[in-house]
Order: sequence, then structure tokens, then C-alpha cells
Amino acid sequence: AQKVTQAQTEISVVEKEDVTLDCVYETRDTTYYLFWYKQPPSGELVFLIRRNSFDEQNEISGRYSWNFQKSTSSFNFTITASQVVDSAVYFCALSPRRNTGFQKLVFGTGTRLLVSP
Amino acid sequence: NAGVTQTPKFRILKIGQSMTLQCTQDMNHNYMYWYRQDPGMGLKLIYYSVGAGITDKGEVPNGYNVSRSTTEDFPLRLELAAPSQTSVYFCASTDSRQPYNEQFFGPGTRLTVL
Repeated sequence: AQKVTQAQTEISVVEKEDVTLDCVYETRDTTYYLFWYKQPPSGELVFLIRRNSFDEQNEISGRYSWNFQKSTSSFNFTITASQVVDSAVYFCALSPRRNTGFQKLVFGTGTRLLVSP
Repeated sequence: NAGVTQTPKFRILKIGQSMTLQCTQDMNHNYMYWYRQDPGMGLKLIYYSVGAGITDKGEVPNGYNVSRSTTEDFPLRLELAAPSQTSVYFCASTDSRQPYNEQFFGPGTRLTVL
């Protein structure tokens, strides 16, 4: 069975602070994919990143960075110098790799980030 | 490219009524999905389809039905609506040639059953 845990329900920061959103996952699969999606107040889901289980390199994209650690089954997301526009709910998700090639996402419950000016 | 579109955006149903949530994508994606998102929760998979004529149950299929007669359309049918089906419904699609890339989501349908 697959499970994704985002223990932080809500985080409040002041603009320009750095913030890390935690994601811990459980899976028995050796090959899997991890994702982060952003859900702004408007409600749509925006893809941020995908990581496969064989690639443990950290990734940086502008103010966003991701730390994948297989040893602790974690895929944490850091926003540097947060901005008000970063206010959203962030979801971590997991998909095992299957021979069918079909993606079955299991989502965490999300972390609501509030960035105040 | 409109991407994934969903109609309606909002709907209020009475208990026992039925309705169909529409989902269309114009990206020629074979894989399509229906999710529901309850308040404070992540998305849960209701049904999915790997191509026209092929559908299968996800994690929470009870109370719903789907069909897939074309690549573009994947409607979700609610029969005998119940308050437990109050939720936000998202349709999504992926390209079967790159199945583990991002899912493209529609804007969602907010459904209230009273």
C-alpha cells in the first residue's frame, strides 16, 4: 500500500522568510515517482515537480528547492524568501511505477501555507 | 489548447437527484482520471480510464459511474446524490506516451448535496 503524510496542516510565515514543507511517504515499490502540486486560492492544481526514485539529486528552480532522501522516505519542499503569491495549499503525491504505465497518484492531505506581508 | 475543461463550475443538488459532471480534454491524452477533494483532504481517485471504452474503479467509486466513448470526453455520473458526495471534483489527464509526467487538471466542479 502507498501512503503520503504531510504532518504540517498549516504554516504561517512573514514575507521573505524561508519555509520548508515536509513530505514523508511509504511504499513497497522499488520504482516510484514523487510529485508536488500547488493549489492556489483559485482552486486549480498546478504541477511543480516530479522526481523518480532513482534520482536523489536535489533540485532547485528559482526560489523553490526539493530535497529527496530515500533513506528517510522524505521529499521536502523549501521556498526561499517567500512571497505573498506563494500562499496556497501544497500537495505531495506518490505514484508507483507499473508495467501498465499507468499513473495512480496517492496524495497527502496537503499543507496550507499562509504568507503575510 | 484549452487543456482540460469541466462543466459546471458549481452545482447544488437535492438528495436523490442525479447529474453528470462533464470533462473534456483537447490534448489527445489517453489516460483520464476523476478525483474528489473533501475539505482539508487530499484528492482521492474515483475512476480512471486508459482509453476510449476502457474504465476502471479507483479508491472511492461507490455512488458514481463513468463512461468513455471518445478520447476527449470522460463524464462522471452521480446517481441518487447523497450529502456524503458534497465535494470538489477534479478531472485530469496524462499522455500515455509519457505516463509518469504531470497530470493536467481541470478547474474543478464544486458540488453541494442538500
